[in-house]
Amino acid sequence: QKEVEQDPGPLSVPEGAIVSLNCTYSNSAFQYFMWYRQYSRKGPELLMYTYSSGNKEDGRFTAQVDKSSKYISLFIRDSQPSDSATYLCAMSFYGQNFVFGPGTRLSVLP
Amino acid sequence: DTGVSQDPRHKITKRGQNVTFRCDPISEHNRLYWYRQTLGQGPEFLTYFQNEAQLEKSRLLSDRFSAERPKGSFSTLEIQRTEQGDSAMYLCASSFASGGIRTYEQYFGPGTRLTVT
Repeated sequence: QKEVEQDPGPLSVPEGAIVSLNCTYSNSAFQYFMWYRQYSRKGPELLMYTYSSGNKEDGRFTAQVDKSSKYISLFIRDSQPSDSATYLCAMSFYGQNFVFGPGTRLSVLP
Repeated sequence: DTGVSQDPRHKITKRGQNVTFRCDPISEHNRLYWYRQTLGQGPEFLTYFQNEAQLEKSRLLSDRFSAERPKGSFSTLEIQRTEQGDSAMYLCASSFASGGIRTYEQYFGPGTRLTVT
């Protein structure tokens, strides 16, 4: 079992849809959880990060962490074609070794 | 733009050659990370520095790989005797490790795409 798993997609949604992206992980010691967006042939771009369980909202994006289930989610409201990218979840113990999921490729169709 | 920069952006080399990549982090950032990313996968941690000290290396990192960060500024990643399996995107990231939440604000460079023929 990989340390961090993510549905690879691709996920295609119409513009304006609510998108749900998910990751599961196996190591309960992870404390910090991040979401990155990566456009083709570019470096990942940090979207949000959260500590421990709970929700965090930033504009159209909401990150959710459920440590008891070892499950994290990213919700995108009112999705736009410019949101089309690969979304990576990442986790860390204390800001040293960051472990990434394989990414979910999202296409938002106009 | 004062983001993370990497050079070169693309490198094609023949198997058996040595290659070196450079990363310039955001100026006030004291941590610098190297990752490798292959198609369809997330970045895989290779090593990281705090200032000039290399604090952790992945167990998966071959002895052919070496990284330095002299004076705690830019960093270089060298791959000796390249193999076709080394073909990947090599990403650099930096952060400011303050002991607080900003430690987790990791900013990536555009990457160096290596092709070994």
